[in-house]
Amino acid sequence: GAGVSQSPSNKVTEKGKDVELRCDPISGHTALYWYRQSLGQGLEFLIYFQGNSAPDKSGLPSDRFSAERTGGSVSTLTIQRTQQEDSAVYLCASSAQGAFLSYNEQFFGPGTRLTVL
Amino acid sequence: TQLLEQSPQFLSIQEGENLTVYCNSSSVFSSLQWYRQEPGEGPVLLVTVVTGGEVKKLKRLTFQFGDARKDSSLHITAAQPGDTGLYLCAGARTGTASKLTFGTGTRLQVTL
Repeated sequence: GAGVSQSPSNKVTEKGKDVELRCDPISGHTALYWYRQSLGQGLEFLIYFQGNSAPDKSGLPSDRFSAERTGGSVSTLTIQRTQQEDSAVYLCASSAQGAFLSYNEQFFGPGTRLTVL
Repeated sequence: TQLLEQSPQFLSIQEGENLTVYCNSSSVFSSLQWYRQEPGEGPVLLVTVVTGGEVKKLKRLTFQFGDARKDSSLHITAAQPGDTGLYLCAGARTGTASKLTFGTGTRLQVTL
């Protein structure tokens, strides 16, 4: 596709269950980012990938959160033993440039709305 | 700790009015971006400013980066209903170019 896609668009789960969120970046973009957005607020950085490596995981809120990227393309964000405070919109973005310049244009997907009951 | 504070948080105005949104920090940023986000969608980049004192214009939108690169403003002239959305500033700090720090957001509603 032409843009960043994410699936599912909505996910409702029960507390304690594991969830996987998927991001398909723009083809050829080497950098990929995950953010979390709560109720129309600003974005909270979670993790950054350059290729398949994650040089910056500083935003992951706990060890229940993990992410991987394979083939320099698709990324999966996994949340284990979900808690109610994990409810939010999870946004993925990709960029043609990573950490080599002081700025980069990030293209965002529509997000996955996660609701933990 | 929120590094970028935006004001106002909410703004409801009528079509044709002018408005300014502020993005402030005590930290220096190497560059600053402005995004607009509509419901159910991801943020879309409007502009990037990289030089202290820089002014960029995008049709009715004027963006300014502070001389000290700690703050920025977005001014909209003659607002239209299509300008409605959540406006987010985002800064990149020297040495952490991979990570953008997003502001708290300004929700703008423009009515007829």
